Amino acid sequence: RKEVEQDPGPFNVPEGATVAFNCTYSNSASQSFFWYRQDCRKEPKLLMSVYSSGNEDGRFTAQLNRASQYISLLIRDSKLSDSATYLCVVNVGGQAGTALIFGKGTTLSVSS
Amino acid sequence: DAGVTQSPTHLIKTRGQHVTLRCSPISGHKSVSWYQQVLGQGPQFIFQYYEKEERGRGNFPDRFSARQFPNYSSELNVNALLLGDSALYLCASSFDWDFRYGYTFGSGTRLTVV
Repeated sequence: RKEVEQDPGPFNVPEGATVAFNCTYSNSASQSFFWYRQDCRKEPKLLMSVYSSGNEDGRFTAQLNRASQYISLLIRDSKLSDSATYLCVVNVGGQAGTALIFGKGTTLSVSS
Repeated sequence: DAGVTQSPTHLIKTRGQHVTLRCSPISGHKSVSWYQQVLGQGPQFIFQYYEKEERGRGNFPDRFSARQFPNYSSELNVNALLLGDSALYLCASSFDWDFRYGYTFGSGTRLTVV
């Protein structure tokens, strides 16, 4: 089982749609969780951290379920500018040091 | 404030050659990590350095090595390049060593091995 698995995508949605991405992780000792956004041929950029209580930043809502080892990202009222690849990321500490483990990413394409 | 800076931005090398990639972290950040991102995949962890010491190593061959300097900048070295080493190499910096707040990435070095 891969350490971080995401919906394969791509997701093609019209402007204004609501879209949800899901992610599961395998290491129950994972400490912190993030969603990163990556535009084509650019570096990943932190979109938001994910907390057990759930958190919201404008049109974006992230949820974490530690019992199910499941993370989600909800985007409401999609904009053309939301088109990008969304990476689910888990912070894993241990003998290999501390590393962020990335999923393969889910591509979102928002059309007018 | 400058973000994480990486050099060079693009590089073309021949199989068997050696390459050195450079990274300067955000001012005040003491931890630098290196990632490799192959097309269509998420970034994969290569190394973490904190306070000039290696704190973590991913599942990469010994051809990959790195170091961190007293000013917290870092170099990633790859020997005996293979075609499969073609990728975007990302450097990330963080103030602390456990990345509770995530990283800031540089814009990367795109390495092509021919």
